[in-house]
Amino acid sequence: AQSVTQLDSHVSVSEGTPVLLRCNYSSSYSPSLFWYVQHPNKGLQLLLKYTSAATLVKGINGFEAEFKKSETSFHLTKPSAHMSDAAEYFCVVSDLGRGKLIFGQGTELSVKP
Amino acid sequence: NAGVMQNPRHLVRRRGQEARLRCSPMKGHSHVYWYRQLPEEGLKFMVYLQKENIIDESGMPKERFSAEFPKEGPSILRIQQVVRGDSAAYFCASSPGAAGGRYEQYFGPGTRLTVT
Repeated sequence: AQSVTQLDSHVSVSEGTPVLLRCNYSSSYSPSLFWYVQHPNKGLQLLLKYTSAATLVKGINGFEAEFKKSETSFHLTKPSAHMSDAAEYFCVVSDLGRGKLIFGQGTELSVKP
Repeated sequence: NAGVMQNPRHLVRRRGQEARLRCSPMKGHSHVYWYRQLPEEGLKFMVYLQKENIIDESGMPKERFSAEFPKEGPSILRIQQVVRGDSAAYFCASSPGAAGGRYEQYFGPGTRLTVT
């Protein structure tokens, strides 16, 4: 069965410094992996997705993630944080063949001025 | 192209009442998914539907909860005899296909249900 583990429940960075949100996955297959962002009291927006093409995936708003099979990781990074990046981030794996998404517990990102 | 629409955005029900949550998928999308987000938790899958068919309801509570996606009209998530523990945000997502999960799902803004 597929699962994801987000290693940090809360990350705090200063504006202009790099962001690293960590995610490990477990999958019997070659997984489809996603990062979604949720701003307070809002819906979810897709940041990026990995579906077995290039291992370095670029997303919106300057975010990117690298799929590392040997480490079963899919960490999300951004070179320079902006105040508007403050939100909840979810690492997600698709339950292949069944359509549904399996969410991690989320990482709350705070950005200090 | 309008996104996924959900209504109402906020719903307050007293214990024992019924809650009906509606979801209109994006144009051209025939696959609908419902997820529930309890306070301080991630989203949990509830049910996956195609037009007139329930494909996977493995995440639905066994009692009081039902879902449909008729040939015409929105998908409906129905909760009968609500209890305080049903208070949560309910999100609907749609995709153009399942294709083993390789299509991304587009999420609506959610319905926040409060049971008093």
